[in-house]
Amino acid sequence: NAGVTQTPKFQVLKTGQSMTLQCAQDMNHEYMSWYRQDPGMGLRLIHYSVGAGITDQGEVPNGYNVSRSTTEDFPLRLLSAAPSQTSVYFCASRAGIGSTEAFFGQGTRLTVV
Amino acid sequence: TQLLEQSPQFLSIQEGENLTVYCNSSSVFSSLQWYRQEPGEGPVLLVTVVTGGEVKKLKRLTFQFGDARKDSSLHITAAQPGDTGLYLCAGAGTSGTYKYIFGTGTRLKVLA
Repeated sequence: NAGVTQTPKFQVLKTGQSMTLQCAQDMNHEYMSWYRQDPGMGLRLIHYSVGAGITDQGEVPNGYNVSRSTTEDFPLRLLSAAPSQTSVYFCASRAGIGSTEAFFGQGTRLTVV
Repeated sequence: TQLLEQSPQFLSIQEGENLTVYCNSSSVFSSLQWYRQEPGEGPVLLVTVVTGGEVKKLKRLTFQFGDARKDSSLHITAAQPGDTGLYLCAGAGTSGTYKYIFGTGTRLKVLA
């Protein structure tokens, strides 16, 4: 039972590089979200999706893009990495409307130098 | 913008002691959740409260949702080293249950 799978677990980027963080879930969940976690700030919502083809911005969307071409996958793209994007990134999924429990991946620790 | 403030930010206690963690906001939430996160892992749901004044118990953990649905508390009785972790509250935004706002977190360490 895989649940929510994130890859890679660790990544180091140089300023200006681009990359995609992968997120896949095998629970047929409608809702998927990306969060970043920084010390003393809890988790902040970057982007979310309520179904294939539908995405929207969260609290801190600048510098990130998402797409949802399938129910299973929700990749997060960093267009031009900046040191301020150094963080731990979590992907989460929930079944759908009325569901409350979010299932999280193990996170991706990203360092931008 | 809805915000959730947690207090205290850090807590270090001896095994067997009791503690309370608070989660406060000036906004009303349709529901509120508590998660625990271990190092290197994602948060895991402990409980969801949906009704103002609701109290839920999970073994030695007691969760309460404020009457006005703006705040919540987590009380741990006789803490154990296994309770060590980061505790996060999360509220369902009023714009829809698909958008959860997380609190700032309380890092708990229980010493044996």
